[in-house]
Amino acid sequence: EVLLVESGGGLVQPGGSLRLSCAASGFTFSSYAMSWVRQAPGKGLEWVSAISESGDSTYYADSVKGRFTISRDSSKNTMYLQMNSLRAEDTAVYFCAKKDGYNKPFDYWGQGTLVTVSS
Amino acid sequence: DIQMTQSPSSLSASVGDRVTVTCRASQGISNYLAWYQQKPGQVPKLLIYAASTLQSGVPSRFSGSGSGTDFTLTISSLRPEDVATYYCQKYNSAPPYTFGQGTKLEIK
Repeated sequence: EVLLVESGGGLVQPGGSLRLSCAASGFTFSSYAMSWVRQAPGKGLEWVSAISESGDSTYYADSVKGRFTISRDSSKNTMYLQMNSLRAEDTAVYFCAKKDGYNKPFDYWGQGTLVTVSS
Repeated sequence: DIQMTQSPSSLSASVGDRVTVTCRASQGISNYLAWYQQKPGQVPKLLIYAASTLQSGVPSRFSGSGSGTDFTLTISSLRPEDVATYYCQKYNSAPPYTFGQGTKLEIK
């Protein structure tokens, strides 16, 4: 069974940092690209960042470029999102999602972790 | 970047009604279009991919069509458990994997 479990969310002040983790199990982690998707309270889904199977290629939404860094550790079957210079508008539930392959959609999602940026 | 525009943003229909949601891409994306269902308080669930292929386990009352820039999600006979917000997403080639703004479906 595929499982994605996010952790690391919490309350942080504007300008602060947070690192999210996504622990994966039930599939060969190193064979699949992964993404982070967020959802602000009462709002829609926003794709945030993606990382290739090997970790060599990374991609970011314009809204987080230069502030967030995505990475993965295949020895730990875990993906990360380092979030720096956080703003109030980054407040959201952050989901990790597994891509089903090249030119394939997201077939599995984690339950999400809430990040609240507030003073 | 390619923008994805859904319509309507909200929809109210009666049980048994045929419901259609549309999604338009600002540039052609072939058939690299997915539909997700997000019920209140739940995680998004993949319903349809490649514009018209039903994900395993999804009821056959759901269907998708389209190619290029214009796509539709259809529920042939609405059931109470279909109350949710529906999102389209383009996933071709490299990111960004943009979502539509969502269509909130309610029962009348």
